[in-house]
Amino acid sequence: DAKTTQPTSMDCAEGRAANLPCNHSTISGNEYVYWYRQIHSQGPQYIIHGLKNNETNEMASLIITEDRKSSTLILPHATLRDTAVYYCIVRADNYGQNFVFGPGTRLSVLP
Amino acid sequence: GAVVSQHPSWVICKSGTSVKIECRSLDFQATTMFWYRQFPKQSLMLMATSNEGSKATYEQGVEKDKFLINHASLTLSTLTVTSAHPEDSSFYICSARSDRRNTGELFFGEGSRLTVL
Repeated sequence: DAKTTQPTSMDCAEGRAANLPCNHSTISGNEYVYWYRQIHSQGPQYIIHGLKNNETNEMASLIITEDRKSSTLILPHATLRDTAVYYCIVRADNYGQNFVFGPGTRLSVLP
Repeated sequence: GAVVSQHPSWVICKSGTSVKIECRSLDFQATTMFWYRQFPKQSLMLMATSNEGSKATYEQGVEKDKFLINHASLTLSTLTVTSAHPEDSSFYICSARSDRRNTGELFFGEGSRLTVL
């Protein structure tokens, strides 16, 4: 079973920041938070991951609360091409482990 | 980022035939690859873990004799759906992790859509 809970869907205006929350209250000390997204009829795309510090890359920022029980993925300037299902996944970084996907959040970026 | 390629991207076959889907890591080696299945409006479900040079590990409820997995090299895993039936119609996705990276992200293929008539 997925260890995370996310809103089923969200809307965001084009050009605005999209903030996608994720709750992972049972996260263990050795588990990372990963974010992927899946555009319709494509394979999931890696976005970002982190352990306890906030992370930023060219796609997004990841803000993890101090108690690590929740996190927020931030797309700073959403475009129409960011419309997708976003998955928040927690997983220990052990070699060979797969990802367990929950239902994710369906983000719709509106013009 | 690392690239994982699947082929074919879509296939239509008759009931009772077998279909092979290839998953290749193009710029890295992967001892372990994963095969997922995704039905419409549902999330990805892990079918099996493919290990180079050894037998695949199947998830509960996945028939190993129906979904044959071969991981003959560090860059190629294949999934063969044998005696396909309409209920096998789905989106099949593979993923892999680079043996050389010290981070845990998995890279996913583009997916292969199977339609069984």
